[in-house]
Amino acid sequence: QSALTQPPSASGSPGQSVTISCTGTSSDVGRYNYVSWYQQHPGKAPKLMIYEVNKRPSGVPDRFSGSKSGNTASLTVSGLQAEDEADYYCTSYAGSKGVFGGGTKLTVL
Amino acid sequence: EVQLVESGGGLVQPGGSLRLSCAVSGFTFSSYWMAWVRQAPGKGLEWVANINQDGSRNYHVDSVKGRFTISRDNADSSLYLQMNSLRAEDTAVYYCVRDDPGYAAFEYWGQGILVTVSS
Repeated sequence: QSALTQPPSASGSPGQSVTISCTGTSSDVGRYNYVSWYQQHPGKAPKLMIYEVNKRPSGVPDRFSGSKSGNTASLTVSGLQAEDEADYYCTSYAGSKGVFGGGTKLTVL
Repeated sequence: EVQLVESGGGLVQPGGSLRLSCAVSGFTFSSYWMAWVRQAPGKGLEWVANINQDGSRNYHVDSVKGRFTISRDNADSSLYLQMNSLRAEDTAVYYCVRDDPGYAAFEYWGQGILVTVSS
């Protein structure tokens, strides 16, 4: 099971929007609408930000949104804030198993 | 309040064994798939294994297949990961997670437990 592909880094200024991609295959991202996204600050456990491609758990700001096209899913963070600086990981269901992306470090300039 | 508390980590020599435990409270444990996710120092997250509600189905990532076994005790609201033939590359923080909402989505995480494989 190969990891999903994410860019190692992304950045944006406060107030701007940034999009992070997550590319898989027709066996995972392309096949199932079960892509989720996590935010992880240093030394902390990951936090679920998006599930089932575009749904937000209670308490997650609507500045965070998700989408998918073919084998690629995307997380968009709008109105960037300093506290959004963190590592972001995608994951996809892959038929009984899960597979994570390698992670993207988001820097707020 | 949902709580997942891991225990059983520590330092072990290559080839050794450890059993991780995860004590769960705050929800009906027997109603949910559960999973283990790990993170090597300075690295990304890796899905390790999951198990269905009654323990009759379980799946493991290829790199641990035949060495690790996930199990659960619904009467005790506990999740386990038996780790045998440990290798240096198994060194990581191991997280107990509830597999929900949907599939391979993890809203609730434990605090993580460090496993170090070294001589």
